[in-house]
Amino acid sequence: DVVLTQTPSILSATIGQSVSISCRSSQSLLDSDGNTYLYWFLQRPGQSPQRLIYLVSNLGSGVPNRFSGSGSGTDFTLKISGVEAEDLGVYYCMQATHAPLTFGSGTKLEIK
Amino acid sequence: QVKLQQSGAELVKPGASVKLSCKTSGYTFSTSYMSWFKQIPGQSIEWIGMIYAGDGGTGYNQKFKGKATLTVDTSSSTAYMDLSSLTTEDSAVYFCALGYFDYWGQGVMVTVSS
Repeated sequence: DVVLTQTPSILSATIGQSVSISCRSSQSLLDSDGNTYLYWFLQRPGQSPQRLIYLVSNLGSGVPNRFSGSGSGTDFTLKISGVEAEDLGVYYCMQATHAPLTFGSGTKLEIK
Repeated sequence: QVKLQQSGAELVKPGASVKLSCKTSGYTFSTSYMSWFKQIPGQSIEWIGMIYAGDGGTGYNQKFKGKATLTVDTSSSTAYMDLSSLTTEDSAVYFCALGYFDYWGQGVMVTVSS
């Protein structure tokens, strides 16, 4: 199975600060169809995951543009440009290039 | 507006089975994919499998083969997951998610206890 390693595991930020989360894959996530099936989700406390980013860098519907995704191959990054209070929760990367789909271990964002 | 409504919390005894449902609305269910996930509170998320509502075709995580069975009823736009031979290790929150994971159910807690 593909292993996704997220760092850091905990992130503490002030309102307005910009932060980044790294997701590294044990295998390339570039599919034979030319797509890279790397997603980012936010799970707020007590809620279902919410898709933020799909196919590495595409913003999900209704997702604020302070969120952005980048990367290729095995290295990916989620950036939040100006953290807001509603951004607290656990962020997960997920790959859907290789079966089974797998998730990173999560990054907990705390607001100082 | 797309909605996924999952069935209520379950308390079941070891060795029993349970059938979870995920009813959709506001989406063309008959040509969609539905995925199911498991999350033990405080831990990351595991993919159980997915089903294509168009023909009932399925794909499973090898870890959950024999444990989970996915089905759909297109007449009611509802997806189901049967979990069998339950043990305490199956106690978790289970989510359904539609399409390319853009819509999620609210999750259902399954507790396996004698």
